[in-house]
Amino acid sequence: AQSVSQHNHHVILSEAASLELGCNYSYGGTVNLFWYVQYPGQHLQLLLKYFSGDPLVKGIKGFEAEFIKSKFSFNLRKPSVQWSDTAEYFCAVRGGGAAGNKLTFGGGTRVLVKP
Amino acid sequence: ETGVTQSPTHLIKTRGQQVTLRCSSQSGHNTVSWYQQALGQGPQFIFQYYREEENGRGNFPPRFSGLQFPNYSSELNVNALELDDSALYLCASSYKREDTDTQYFGPGTRLTVL
Repeated sequence: AQSVSQHNHHVILSEAASLELGCNYSYGGTVNLFWYVQYPGQHLQLLLKYFSGDPLVKGIKGFEAEFIKSKFSFNLRKPSVQWSDTAEYFCAVRGGGAAGNKLTFGGGTRVLVKP
Repeated sequence: ETGVTQSPTHLIKTRGQQVTLRCSSQSGHNTVSWYQQALGQGPQFIFQYYREEENGRGNFPPRFSGLQFPNYSSELNVNALELDDSALYLCASSYKREDTDTQYFGPGTRLTVL
């Protein structure tokens, strides 16, 4: 069964600081990888996704993520955060074959950016 | 906005009751997935419907059931509600392509079971 682990449950940082959120998954086959964000009071929104090709993926709002197959990781980064980046961030994996079409989510990381 | 809508927004039920949650998928999408998000946790996959048939199911008991209609809207039904069913129920729609579809989420229905 596939699983996703997000190492940090809570992150607090100041504006302009750099952000990196860890995500590791366990699944032996080909995976699609996603980062979703949930702003306070809003629904889950797609930040970025990786299906194939360049392992460095750029998403919306200045976010990027790097897929490192050998480490089963898909870490999210942003060089300089803003107060509006305060949100909960979820890493998700979709495996093919027997794993079907479902998304498996990590437990989420709450990010608080202090002005 | 994703174009995925859900109703109702909030719902309060008591143990043992039954509930039906509704989802309208984004225009052009033929697949609907349902997730349960308990407080402080990530969403957990309940099941997916593709062209009106169940296309995968997570570790949820049979009292969680669903339907997809010809217009690709969907319902999630939960019978014999338990306190642990209190959660945010999310619907996500996508256009099914082999290994490349992306799911877009609705705002969710907050269910409270007393």
